[in-house]
Amino acid sequence: KAGVTQTPRYLIKTRGQQVTLSCSPISGHRSVSWYQQTPGQGLQFLFEYFSETQRNKGNFPGRFSGRQFSNSRSEMNVSTLELGDSALYLCASSLGPAGGGYEQYFGPGTRLTVT
Amino acid sequence: QKEVEQNSGPLSVPEGAIASLNCTYSDRGSQSFFWYRQYSGKSPELIMFIYSNGDKEDGRFTAQLNKASQYVSLLIRDSQPSDSATYLCAVAYSGGGADGLTFGKGTHLIIQP
Repeated sequence: KAGVTQTPRYLIKTRGQQVTLSCSPISGHRSVSWYQQTPGQGLQFLFEYFSETQRNKGNFPGRFSGRQFSNSRSEMNVSTLELGDSALYLCASSLGPAGGGYEQYFGPGTRLTVT
Repeated sequence: QKEVEQNSGPLSVPEGAIASLNCTYSDRGSQSFFWYRQYSGKSPELIMFIYSNGDKEDGRFTAQLNKASQYVSLLIRDSQPSDSATYLCAVAYSGGGADGLTFGKGTHLIIQP
């Protein structure tokens, strides 16, 4: 069974630009969660989607948004990029929502660098 | 504010010994607990999960959960150099307004040959 895929793997953007990251979950998984990982803050929860609905959102500004499609693929968008948005963005796939105790499996991540 | 605390380390353990990694969490409503291993430059890999008080064993790994003390641990027996990595503890709150997994900042484990 194929794992979680994320595209692109690496991205360099300039301050003020916007970016869209994509995540394809494991086949049959309906929940996708997004996390930001930085050396200083560790892994921080961005948002979770289940059956095309956003269930939860972490403590991030409105510049961070996402969506989920009917095939469970998900995208996240960051508008008006700031230097502090440089991070590894991880997508995690699970059968059901995190609150239901389902195990989450991570993709390889997208390394975003903002200059 | 749900918090998960881990000692950042590094925790240095000789090859063949038992590595013991600890994690405490703040929210008593937490019901699912996960251990991830992350090698440098890679994404986290799920290695254990536990939902009930007590021990759960899988190969060289044992997860231990004590909900009364809000404490979860991971034991790695017969530690190997390939176990050297950062170990992340994650906690899921089961209930309305769940906010995904809350992660600790990880413990850096070094297995010395």
